[in-house]
Amino acid sequence: TQLLEQSPQFLSIQEGENLTVYCNSSSVFSSLQWYRQEPGEGPVLLVTVVTGGEVKKLKRLTFQFGDARKDSSLHITAAQPGDTGLYLCALPRDTGFQKLVFGTGTRLLVSP
Amino acid sequence: DSGVTQTPKHLITATGQRVTLRCSPRSGDLSVYWYQQSLDQGLQFLIQYYNGEERAKGNILERFSAQQFPDLHSELNLSSLELGDSALYFCASSVASINYGYTFGSGTRLTVV
Repeated sequence: TQLLEQSPQFLSIQEGENLTVYCNSSSVFSSLQWYRQEPGEGPVLLVTVVTGGEVKKLKRLTFQFGDARKDSSLHITAAQPGDTGLYLCALPRDTGFQKLVFGTGTRLLVSP
Repeated sequence: DSGVTQTPKHLITATGQRVTLRCSPRSGDLSVYWYQQSLDQGLQFLIQYYNGEERAKGNILERFSAQQFPDLHSELNLSSLELGDSALYFCASSVASINYGYTFGSGTRLTVV
């Protein structure tokens, strides 16, 4: 059982469309990180959300942390081909040591 | 350039062989993490080192081992390779608290034939 479930798994859209991807867990998060991974590269940190209900914006990307801190969403406005990639949410886990547990990922393809 | 350097970028080897993957963390980062990424399993945590000491093990096979050297670079050793070991292997580094996130290298794509 995955600690973090992301949906949808795959998304193929046209340039200019809006989209939302989701990250859900049965557990409460202390914080959540979103990463984007482009083909042939490692994941790159986009944002960290910490407070329930928090909304953060990064240009055309809007990140929201659920009020109960068990879910998060990423909304992209007017998607561009450069947004193509694998979007991963990650949860810091502290069980005697700290590590990041990654979600299953949403693979986004934006066509011109 | 993320500041985390991984070599080699690609590696093709035969079953039963042994390979070594190398990682140099971002300057100032003491923690190094190794992850394996495959299509069906996603990003899986393998092992963490902090300032030369092993801190945590995840889903790492006994055929795999790692170490972090005094200059903080790390090596992941994979032996008795099997076809199923084909994957992307990522190294990441971080400052003391992971709440600031990881900085990943570009990965090593391992193909076992």
